[in-house]
Amino acid sequence: NAGVMQNPRHLVRRRGQEARLRCSPMKGHSHVYWYRQLPEEGLKFMVYLQKENIIDESGMPKERFSAEFPKEGPSILRIQQVVRGDSAAYFCASSPTAQGGYEQYFGPGTRLTVT
Amino acid sequence: AQSVTQLDSHVSVSEGTPVLLRCNYSSSYSPSLFWYVQHPNKGLQLLLKYTSAATLVKGINGFEAEFKKSETSFHLTKPSAHMSDAAEYFCVVSVAYNNNDMRFGAGTRLTVKP
Repeated sequence: NAGVMQNPRHLVRRRGQEARLRCSPMKGHSHVYWYRQLPEEGLKFMVYLQKENIIDESGMPKERFSAEFPKEGPSILRIQQVVRGDSAAYFCASSPTAQGGYEQYFGPGTRLTVT
Repeated sequence: AQSVTQLDSHVSVSEGTPVLLRCNYSSSYSPSLFWYVQHPNKGLQLLLKYTSAATLVKGINGFEAEFKKSETSFHLTKPSAHMSDAAEYFCVVSVAYNNNDMRFGAGTRLTVKP
């Protein structure tokens, strides 16, 4: 049973370009979460999605950031017109349910570097 | 709202000695509490979780944590550190009815000296 998969593992973009980060949840998981980790900091929640629905995007910047989780295929976190401050590790997690007490399973992360 | 405070940003121990990583939480509701470990350039791996059952929780790799409601603490311990334990450790709190609201501590970096 493969775990949460993220690609690419490393992504380098110049300022102004677009970054697309992909996340395939564990088999049977329909709840996906995206987090951002800045150096020397913990993970900060960005967005929570179920299939075809954004449930909570309270942690995601209103501009340039968007997320989707289509009926088929991976979840995508898209960052348009990247800036240096977007450089961070982005982690995706999945769970089989949103009920309390269930842990989230994390992918290996995508490390975005904006030059 | 819930939050966690990890009291030490860095802990250094010698191999074979006990490990104590401290975490205090704040929650308006019955919390679920987790400890995750992150090795360099890796994702997060669950060590253990507390979900209102036994207050002493045993996890993987010999780690355990005790939920103390009176002290609002959930400290992580291990009797004897191993070199492979060197990593970043995160304490996480979530509200029992809504696990999408998970709050991470800032992390504690554990160094293990030979």
